[in-house]
Amino acid sequence: NAGVTQTPKFQVLKTGQSMTLQCAQDMNHEYMSWYRQDPGMGLRLIHYSVGAGITDQGEVPNGYNVSRSTTEDFPLRLLSAAPSQTSVYFCASRPEGTSGSEQYFGPGTRLTVT
Amino acid sequence: EDQVTQSPEALRLQEGESSSLNCSYTVSGLRGLFWYRQDPGKGPEFLFTLYSAGEEKEKERLKATLTKKESFLHITAPKPEDSATYLCAVKGSARQLTFGSGTQLTVLP
Repeated sequence: NAGVTQTPKFQVLKTGQSMTLQCAQDMNHEYMSWYRQDPGMGLRLIHYSVGAGITDQGEVPNGYNVSRSTTEDFPLRLLSAAPSQTSVYFCASRPEGTSGSEQYFGPGTRLTVT
Repeated sequence: EDQVTQSPEALRLQEGESSSLNCSYTVSGLRGLFWYRQDPGKGPEFLFTLYSAGEEKEKERLKATLTKKESFLHITAPKPEDSATYLCAVKGSARQLTFGSGTQLTVLP
């Protein structure tokens, strides 16, 4: 199994540009989520999904959209990039119905918005 | 609102010098406290889950303990390969994880 994969690994955007961060998992996990990690602030939940066709907002959803058309894929869209969205983004997955502890994280996407 | 505070922010140890990392928390209806390890440039890797005060979990040189207000990650006789950032998170009644900002551990040979 590849686990959780994310692309791209690095990305530089200009203010106002849009892009999609890709996330895929091959473990047939129902639950998937997106976090951002900023220095001194820990991981913060952006959006999550408990299954195909179901998504919900986390702690910091503004400026981001998600969709879940398949179990495997959970892309994160930046609608109009802003410098405040400069961060490292992690996708995670776990089987639904578990405690939530054994989340499997992807390797991350480092995004810089100039 | 659930909150997690980790201390110290950074810790440098000599190889073999045991120490502890602290995770203080406030949560509505604790459903679990979690420890993760994160290496530079990588995603967090799950270590432990603790559910109730008094519970302990061990893995190699690491032992996690839990009280009603805090958790400790004890590192016994650390080695340089234990160098990483250690993250603590809680899951409350909202059923989502709230993370602390982490402790960056460096073990010198």
